This record gives sequence, structure tokens and C-alpha cells, in this order.
Amino acid sequence: TQLLEQSPQFLSIQEGENLTVYCNSSSVFSSLQWYRQEPGEGPVLLVTVVTGGEVKKLKRLTFQFGDARKDSSLHITAAQPGDTGLYLCAGISSGSARQLTFGSGTQLTVLP
Amino acid sequence: NAGVTQTPKFQVLKTGQSMTLQCAQDMNHEYMSWYRQDPGMGLRLIHYSVGAGITDQGEVPNGYNVSRSTTEDFPLRLLSAAPSQTSVYFCASSYSGQGETQYFGPGTRLLVL
Repeated sequence: TQLLEQSPQFLSIQEGENLTVYCNSSSVFSSLQWYRQEPGEGPVLLVTVVTGGEVKKLKRLTFQFGDARKDSSLHITAAQPGDTGLYLCAGISSGSARQLTFGSGTQLTVLP
Repeated sequence: NAGVTQTPKFQVLKTGQSMTLQCAQDMNHEYMSWYRQDPGMGLRLIHYSVGAGITDQGEVPNGYNVSRSTTEDFPLRLLSAAPSQTSVYFCASSYSGQGETQYFGPGTRLLVL
């Protein structure tokens, strides 16, 4: 079983601050996804990173896939209350039987 | 399109009772799956299906049954509920497998007393 560890588990910050969430594993993944989940709803895909070292930007969110494809980070610039939610990373294994493994999540609260 | 729908939204069961969680998708996706979400443990795969008539076990299948008679529907059955099955259950679908974007339903919150 491939494990994905996310840190921090909880994060509470003031509006306007920057933050980084980490997703780490000892396993190599073919690609990695980031989802955001709001209370009472299912996760929604934000981005998929595929290439080692890849950086993708989605407005104020910057996603990076590690060079060795074992880790990823999500950086939010000037956080807003609307960014509040549970952020989940999910790694897709290599090979023909591609399996999806979710991290335990980071609960972000942005205070106005 | 409604996407992925789940019913009921909430359910309270007594230990030993049975129930079926319903899931339907209208995106003509071949792949469907069930996850449970518990605090601090992320999403864990219960069962999945790669197409009508085909199902397989995930990481935590014990105590749950599934069937896939149509492309659209993928019900999850709890035959004899236990308190350890208290959780939030999510159904998801994708075009062809786990390596793609998963579209999740809104979830069913289950409490087993």
C-alpha cells in the first residue's frame, strides 16, 4: 500500500496570509492530483501534475510536483475566506493497474 | 447533467440493521467506486467497478457488498451494520479508471448506534 502523508493536518490563518501544504510519500507516483472539499460536499479536482518538477498555477494557487515524483506542494498566496476547506492530495501509481491513493488531508481555515 | 447523485444524505441505523446506499451517475462513466471518509484517515476505497457486471474489492471491503447491473447505478449494501461503519460515504465515477479525474457525489453521512 502506498502511503501519502499531508502536513499540516490543520491550518488556521488570517485573510491575506500565504501558506503551503505538503504531500509526501516514499513511493513514486505517475501523477498526483489535488482536490478541495467543502463541508457537506464531495471533493472536487483542482489540478493534476504529471511531470517531475512540474509547476502549475491556478489563480492564487501554485502546485508543484517533486523532481522524483514522490512529493508535492500547494502554495496559496494572499489566502481568502473562500479558500477554506479540506485539501486532499491523491497519488496515482505507475504501471498498468493504476491505483489512486488519497492523503489524510489538510483542513484550512482562513479567518476574515 | 446532475453528475453523481447519492441518497440518502443522512441515515441512522441500529447495530445489525441492513441498508443500501444509492449512487447514480448520468455521465456515461464506465468506472464507479465507493469510498469512506473518517477523520484523519482521508478517503479509503471500499469497492469499485470498471463496468456493468464487473466489481472488485478495494482497501476496506469487509462488511460491504456491491453490484453493478447498469452503467448508471452502483449501490452499496451494508448487510449487518456495525458501529465501526459510522462514517461519511462517497460515491465517485470517472471515464475509465482510477488514473483520471474522479467526480464525487455529495456523500451519505451514516451513524450506526
